[in-house]
Amino acid sequence: GESVGLHLPTLSVQEGDNSIINCAYSNSASDYFIWYKQESGKGPQFIIDIRSNMDKRQGQRVTVLLNKTVKHLSLQIAATQPGDSAVYFCAEKKGNNDMRFGAGTRLTVKP
Amino acid sequence: GAVVSQHPSWVICKSGTSVKIECRSLDFQATTMFWYRQFPKQSLMLMATSNEGSKATYEQGVEKDKFLINHASLTLSTLTVTSAHPEDSSFYICSVPGQGSYEQYFGPGTRLTVT
Repeated sequence: GESVGLHLPTLSVQEGDNSIINCAYSNSASDYFIWYKQESGKGPQFIIDIRSNMDKRQGQRVTVLLNKTVKHLSLQIAATQPGDSAVYFCAEKKGNNDMRFGAGTRLTVKP
Repeated sequence: GAVVSQHPSWVICKSGTSVKIECRSLDFQATTMFWYRQFPKQSLMLMATSNEGSKATYEQGVEKDKFLINHASLTLSTLTVTSAHPEDSSFYICSVPGQGSYEQYFGPGTRLTVT
């Protein structure tokens, strides 16, 4: 079936560096994509979202890029901090349908 | 956004017993709530959609007689794991859709350990 997945299960970066987390999706009908951050023992926390009619959206220190041609989604975190260490999930949604999550990438920030 | 709480935050129970997990939308009325299950180092998997005043909709492979869902009010949905087994040990997370069709707010999760 169609699914959302991630390229890398783990990512380790130095504090201050930029981080890029990737996600591949296969449902071309999805019209909404979201990145969530999940810290250990907690529920997912919304980071940033993007609709399918956009290719880039920026937030505070974060940028999401959407490439519909290759069905690829990425999350860029600028000046990564130790507090950014967590598991990051991409998720997709089509209209009012339920949200589907990708496999997740664990980001570790080394001081 | 909506504030979602879950109770308990963690629970340990013995095999064969039943456990009830509550999901509350504290500041938003929700006709729909979602229940997810997350095993260690894995992603969130949707179990079921809880519908206020009607039956829940279960995902394929989720036993409706084992995971009982009751959405009795616009602010409360409960998930009861019946006859729990060690393989039911997991992190259970609920979510509430926001006012827009795309928004979704997650609870803090409930850690269930079945011994």
